[in-house]
Amino acid sequence: DAKTTQPNSMESNEEEPVHLPCNHSTISGTDYIHWYRQLPSQGPEYVIHGLTSNVNNRMASLAIAEDRKSSTLILHRATLRDAAVYYCILRRVYNTDKLIFGTGTRLQVFP
Amino acid sequence: EPEVTQTPSHQVTQMGQEVILRCVPISNHLYFYWYRQILGQKVEFLVSFYNNEISEKSEIFDDQFSVERPDGSNFTLKIRSTKLEDSAMYFCASSVPPPGETQYFGPGTRLLVL
Repeated sequence: DAKTTQPNSMESNEEEPVHLPCNHSTISGTDYIHWYRQLPSQGPEYVIHGLTSNVNNRMASLAIAEDRKSSTLILHRATLRDAAVYYCILRRVYNTDKLIFGTGTRLQVFP
Repeated sequence: EPEVTQTPSHQVTQMGQEVILRCVPISNHLYFYWYRQILGQKVEFLVSFYNNEISEKSEIFDDQFSVERPDGSNFTLKIRSTKLEDSAMYFCASSVPPPGETQYFGPGTRLLVL
């Protein structure tokens, strides 16, 4: 499985935008980019996923580089509830169904 | 909104005892998973289950572990003879087909082996 690299931690102030980067230089053409997050003392939670085009949903936006070697999860206005560990995960569709979690980025949000 | 539920939320057991962790996946989901997270470490895949059989398992999922879907709603993880190192948070997840779809996680069972 292709590897992803994320910063260990990031900080933000409440109501500011947050850009969480992920590098995946060995991504293959059939790998989807998934983001999950884990709030304190909770199970992981799906955030968003994409293949090539940028994606938006009610939680976040996903910006994918043209060469697909990196992506950025964008939280448009961080809230205290967004404080969590964010995981960028590559999934090869139909090849495997397990999620392989890295260490993720711990996001701290300050009031 | 439908959600995955897990019971118990906490379990304390003695080393060598058997434990059964229970999960009720989302009702129209057909793929089921167990993951674990030792305190301060990564979330680790244990096993995936589809069509009443294991579709994939990790090296962690040895003969001490088993999974079962005893009826149409429950999905269980059994650890036959617990070890101290089995202490962890255990998460159940489920998804619709095909494989690769979004997985929905339960709140977890915190297992402490003494």
